[in-house]
Amino acid sequence: GENVEQHPSTLSVQEGDSAVIKCTYSDSASNYFPWYKQELGKGPQLIIDIRSNVGEKKDQRIAVTLNKTAKHFSLHITETQPEDSAVYFCAASRSGGGADGLTFGKGTHLIIQP
Amino acid sequence: KAGVTQTPRYLIKTRGQQVTLSCSPISGHRSVSWYQQTPGQGLQFLFEYFSETQRNKGNFPGRFSGRQFSNSRSEMNVSTLELGDSALYLCASRESGYGYTFGSGTRLTVV
Repeated sequence: GENVEQHPSTLSVQEGDSAVIKCTYSDSASNYFPWYKQELGKGPQLIIDIRSNVGEKKDQRIAVTLNKTAKHFSLHITETQPEDSAVYFCAASRSGGGADGLTFGKGTHLIIQP
Repeated sequence: KAGVTQTPRYLIKTRGQQVTLSCSPISGHRSVSWYQQTPGQGLQFLFEYFSETQRNKGNFPGRFSGRQFSNSRSEMNVSTLELGDSALYLCASRESGYGYTFGSGTRLTVV
């Protein structure tokens, strides 16, 4: 089955700096790659996703890049703010996020230092 | 639209008991998935339902089961609870072509 590796497990950056979280996946048939943000006491919140026919997608301060050949994808957050502090999860799916479910990475605890 | 609603939020059960968790998806969403979240194993896929049919199941024992009703609401059941079943159980719903929206989860503690 699919295996998703996520690095780093903890990332501390100064407010205003950029943060990058990287994931690799094992199943070349995976075609959907979402990123979730989870705050304490809440469920994961979808912040951005990308499909395998696209190499990059951007939404304001957040961007995701996908390299299908190398089987890795990354989350980029620019101009970080205190409210960006949370645990971030990457995931992969073969079915566009449908019947096969999502395989998640272990998460990255992002800490924004004031 | 209201979000994904999971009840109850917290639950304490004794080993050997069974438990039923409930999930109301976002109105109009026909696909519902369940995930188990633990500190050690992270987020793991349990099962996925669409139009009352289970389309896929993760690598969990048969003690874990679920169902979906005609109004898309879903329940999951865990029988013969073990200490290792203590976790946050998350339900998520989606409409076709879009990503999953998660609920806040049910925190199950088995003592």
